[in-house]
Amino acid sequence: KQEVTQIPAALSVPEGENLVLNCSFTDSAIYNLQWFRQDPGKGLTSLLLIQSSQREQTSGRLNASLDKSSGRSTLYIAASQPGDSATYLCAIGGAYNQGGKLIFGQGTELSVKP
Amino acid sequence: GAGVSQTPSNKVTEKGKYVELRCDPISGHTALYWYRQSLGQGPEFLIYFQGTGAADDSGLPNDRFFAVRPEGSVSTLKIQRTERGDSAVYLCASSQNGVGGGRAFFGQGTRLTVV
Repeated sequence: KQEVTQIPAALSVPEGENLVLNCSFTDSAIYNLQWFRQDPGKGLTSLLLIQSSQREQTSGRLNASLDKSSGRSTLYIAASQPGDSATYLCAIGGAYNQGGKLIFGQGTELSVKP
Repeated sequence: GAGVSQTPSNKVTEKGKYVELRCDPISGHTALYWYRQSLGQGPEFLIYFQGTGAADDSGLPNDRFFAVRPEGSVSTLKIQRTERGDSAVYLCASSQNGVGGGRAFFGQGTRLTVV
C-alpha cells in the first residue's frame, strides 16, 4: 500500500529565503507525482506534475525533482515571498491499472514572513 | 465551464439526515474524482468515475456513501444517515482522461458539518 509522507509539517521562513519541501513515498511503482498548493478554505491548485520517466520540472521560482528509486521528491522554492504562504501537498498517481486515484501526503504548511 | 464547480460551498446538517453534494467538472473531462479532507490532513480518495461508471470506489468508507454520474458530466455524492464523523471538506476533481492520475483540477470543496 502506497504511503506518502511530507516533512516538515510546518515551516516558517523570512521573505527572500530559498527553501525545500520534502515528500517521500513507499512504493516506487508510480505513474507520476504532483505538487499542489492549497490556500486556507480553498481547493487545490496543481503546481507541477512530474511523469515517472522525468527527473524534474520547473515553473518560475518552483522546481520539483523526483527520485523514484529512493522514493523521494523535493519542491524547491526560490526567493520566497509572503504570497507563497499556503499548504503544499504532494500526491502520487499510481500505476496505470490504478486509474486516476491520487494518494496525498499530509502537507507542509508554509509561512513566509515579510 | 472554466473550472470545477462544487455546490453548496457549505452545508450544515443534523446527525441522521441525508445530504447530496454536487460537482460540475470541467467540460470534456472524462475522469471525475471525489476526495474527503479532514482538518490538517491531505485529501483521501473516495471514488473515481471514468465516464458514467465508477471505475474505483474503494475509498468509500461504508455503504452510507454513494455517488453517481448518470450522464458522464455532473456527479452527486450522497451520504445517508449522516454522522458527526462525516464532517469534513469534500473535494471534487476532474482530469482529461484519468490515466495514472493525470493533471487534476480541483473544485473549491463543500464543507460539510454534521451537528
